[in-house]
Amino acid sequence: SQTIHQWPATLVQPVGSPLSLECTVEGTSNPNLYWYRQAAGRGLQLLFYSIGIDQISSEVPQNLSASRPQDRQFILSSKKLLLSDSGFYLCAWRKTGGTGELFFGEGSRLTVL
Amino acid sequence: AQSVTQLDSQVPVFEEAPVELRCNYSSSVSVYLFWYVQYPNQGLQLLLKYLSGSTLVKSINGFEAEFNKSQTSFHLRKPSVHISDTAEYFCAPWSRGSYIPTFGRGTSLIVHP
Repeated sequence: SQTIHQWPATLVQPVGSPLSLECTVEGTSNPNLYWYRQAAGRGLQLLFYSIGIDQISSEVPQNLSASRPQDRQFILSSKKLLLSDSGFYLCAWRKTGGTGELFFGEGSRLTVL
Repeated sequence: AQSVTQLDSQVPVFEEAPVELRCNYSSSVSVYLFWYVQYPNQGLQLLLKYLSGSTLVKSINGFEAEFNKSQTSFHLRKPSVHISDTAEYFCAPWSRGSYIPTFGRGTSLIVHP
């Protein structure tokens, strides 16, 4: 069966510090991968998506970046965090050529102080 | 591009009362329809989906939704809610062939005893 894990679950970081959130999918190959941000417990903002290794599209200009060093690994990064980067970050995957159903990770709550 | 409207940001209801969460989307051409549920501090989970066939789809915990092509709607209903149904609900139409999922802003269902 397929599983998705993201970590860390909770993170408190000072303004200006770097960020690395990791997401790994198991039990499938060549998934479409997504990073979302959810602010104040409402709405989903698509940040990045990837249809293959080193194929990443950015949906919102910001100080965040994403990388996909391996087929089933998706990393969200920042060199210098802003207060506005606080939020709940969700990783998700979709089967290539599937019916569009998304499978979400448990989420990572980031607080920037 | 597909767009979606969840008209109600918050729906308060008493336990055992019926509820309807509304969802309208922009186009019925080649679309799959999904409802996701998010419990506090968790990722989203698929609640139910319409792919084809019968326009009425049901979940294992008593929710149902009906695909209405002429009204481009996919409203979610439950005849009798429980306290445990308190959560955020997201409607998500997906256009076949698209890499980018579309999510509504979410409806917060609050069930009071």
